[in-house]
Amino acid sequence: NAGVMQNPRHLVRRRGQEARLRCSPMKGHSHVYWYRQLPEEGLKFMVYLQKENIIDESGMPKERFSAEFPKEGPSILRIQQVVRGDSAAYFCASSPLGGQSRQPQHFGDGTRLSIL
Amino acid sequence: AQSVSQHNHHVILSEAASLELGCNYSYGGTVNLFWYVQYPGQHLQLLLKYFSGDPLVKGIKGFEAEFIKSKFSFNLRKPSVQWSDTAEYFCAVNAMDSSYKLIFGSGTRLLVRP
Repeated sequence: NAGVMQNPRHLVRRRGQEARLRCSPMKGHSHVYWYRQLPEEGLKFMVYLQKENIIDESGMPKERFSAEFPKEGPSILRIQQVVRGDSAAYFCASSPLGGQSRQPQHFGDGTRLSIL
Repeated sequence: AQSVSQHNHHVILSEAASLELGCNYSYGGTVNLFWYVQYPGQHLQLLLKYFSGDPLVKGIKGFEAEFIKSKFSFNLRKPSVQWSDTAEYFCAVNAMDSSYKLIFGSGTRLLVRP
């Protein structure tokens, strides 16, 4: 039973380039969450998506960041015109139910983004 | 705003020593509480969770945690650690009215010396 799959594990970009991070949720899970972990800090919620819907993007920076979870394929976190401060580990989690459910979230291995 | 504090950023223990990692949260309403562990190079795994009922929760690998509502605390304990417990431990909370949004502490890095 495959867990949450994230790729790539490591991504290096130069300032001004675009970064695309992918997340395939666990089989049977239709709720996806993205978190960011800055060095020496805990994970911080960014966005919660269901298939074709953004439910809560209150943790997303207002500019340059976007997320989608299309009907087919993985969820994508996209960062345009990356800056040094975007260097972090980005974690994806999924759950079979969402909203008010008590289903724990299952996490992927994360993508470590480094900006040169 | 909700927040989670983990008091110890780094803990070093010898094998067989007892472990207690502190976690305090700030939120006035009903919460769900979690401890996650991240072994080197691996993803976050759920150690244990508390939703309601008995405030002493037992998790995997011999870990347990106690929810003390009056102290807003959810400390993690293990009576005797092993070298394989070397990992980073995260306390997390979500509020009942927005239960998908996990609020994490900054983590505690545990090193167990053989």
